[in-house]
Amino acid sequence: GIQVEQSPPDLILQEGANSTLRCNFSDSVNNLQWFHQNPWGQLINLFYIPSGTKQNGRLSATTVATERYSLLYISSSQTTDSGVYFCAASNSNSGYALNFGKGTSLLVTP
Amino acid sequence: EAGVAQSPRYKIIEKRQSVAFWCNPISGHATLYWYQQILGQGPKLLIQFQNNGVVDDSQLPKDRFSAERLKGVDSTLKIQPAKLEDSAVYLCASSLGYAGIPFFGPGTRLTVL
Repeated sequence: GIQVEQSPPDLILQEGANSTLRCNFSDSVNNLQWFHQNPWGQLINLFYIPSGTKQNGRLSATTVATERYSLLYISSSQTTDSGVYFCAASNSNSGYALNFGKGTSLLVTP
Repeated sequence: EAGVAQSPRYKIIEKRQSVAFWCNPISGHATLYWYQQILGQGPKLLIQFQNNGVVDDSQLPKDRFSAERLKGVDSTLKIQPAKLEDSAVYLCASSLGYAGIPFFGPGTRLTVL
């Protein structure tokens, strides 16, 4: 299946700071998603972005499919942004099953 | 719209015992997934159903894990017998279609002693 690598593994920010999370994947994809898992374990989809750029409030994501990476930007971070951010990818070879990376653990301090 | 429901939320058992988890997906979602998330790792797909048929169970340890989706709606995941390494959060998710955006339930945290 597709290998998904995320960096950095851990990140600590002060409230108001900006950050960029990276996701590299090993094969072409037709499905690339970003998720946020809050400290209570709830996993929420942030973006479906197999290519191109999308924005949702303070979050935006860009996927460069030809170079096999995706970036998640968090601007003006808030304490509620804390949690783990996962990138997940799939293609027809993997039966469309999403393969998740190990995640980036983000802590935003007041 | 109600989300994905799972029960129980927590379960503690001893090794070699059996355990079952239940999932009720979002109404109308044809695709249902069970994921295993070990502490510090990303979720790993165990099994994917499309309606009541299995699409992918390549990572399901079939000697001890089984799953079914009755009438294409609710699903149960069973472990028999449990091992220490089965300690994890078991996440159920559902989506409208085969490669759609999954909506996750709150998970069941299993501890095997």
